[in-house]
Amino acid sequence: RKEVEQDPGPFNVPEGATVAFNCTYSNSASQSFFWYRQDCRKEPKLLMSVYSSGNEDGRFTAQLNRASQYISLLIRDSKLSDSATYLCVVLNAGGTSYGKLTFGQGTILTVHP
Amino acid sequence: GAVVSQHPSRVICKSGTSVKIECRSLDFQATTMFWYRQFPKKSLMLMATSNEGSKATYEQGVEKDKFLINHASLTLSTLTVTSAHPEDSSFYICSADLTGDGTFGSGTRLTVV
Repeated sequence: RKEVEQDPGPFNVPEGATVAFNCTYSNSASQSFFWYRQDCRKEPKLLMSVYSSGNEDGRFTAQLNRASQYISLLIRDSKLSDSATYLCVVLNAGGTSYGKLTFGQGTILTVHP
Repeated sequence: GAVVSQHPSRVICKSGTSVKIECRSLDFQATTMFWYRQFPKKSLMLMATSNEGSKATYEQGVEKDKFLINHASLTLSTLTVTSAHPEDSSFYICSADLTGDGTFGSGTRLTVV
């Protein structure tokens, strides 16, 4: 089983649509969780951190369910500029893996007019 | 926020030659840096953890003699791909991120011909 698993998509949605991405992780001791965005041939950029209480940043809402080891990202009112690959990322904070980021394979989103 | 500078952004080299990639922390001291590799349409995979003043820690399956890491100062880590082969062609990214806040270099696209 992969440490971090995502549905690779691709997701093709029209502008204005709402789209949700899911992610599961296998290490129950994982401490911190993030969604990153990666544009083609670029480095990943932090989109938002994910907290158990859920957090929202504009059109983006992230949720963490520790019991189910599940992370989600919801994008409302999709824009053309949202087209990118979305990476679910887990940070290990203990032992020899301290500071190690584990990336999911990414979910490709294409928003079309 | 913290800035990491990676150089070069793109390099094309002949098979059998060596290529050095530099990663510099510009406004902070980084005792630990991480080197990732990303193949096309795949996620980032951690190659090794670079530790200032000591040997790097390599992930399983990564040849330490092929991917030489040097972290001689608190602001510079280098990755040297020795005797490069076409299968080493990839996107290499460094990070000085211990907290998930996205302190990544801009990446180096290596093409071995």
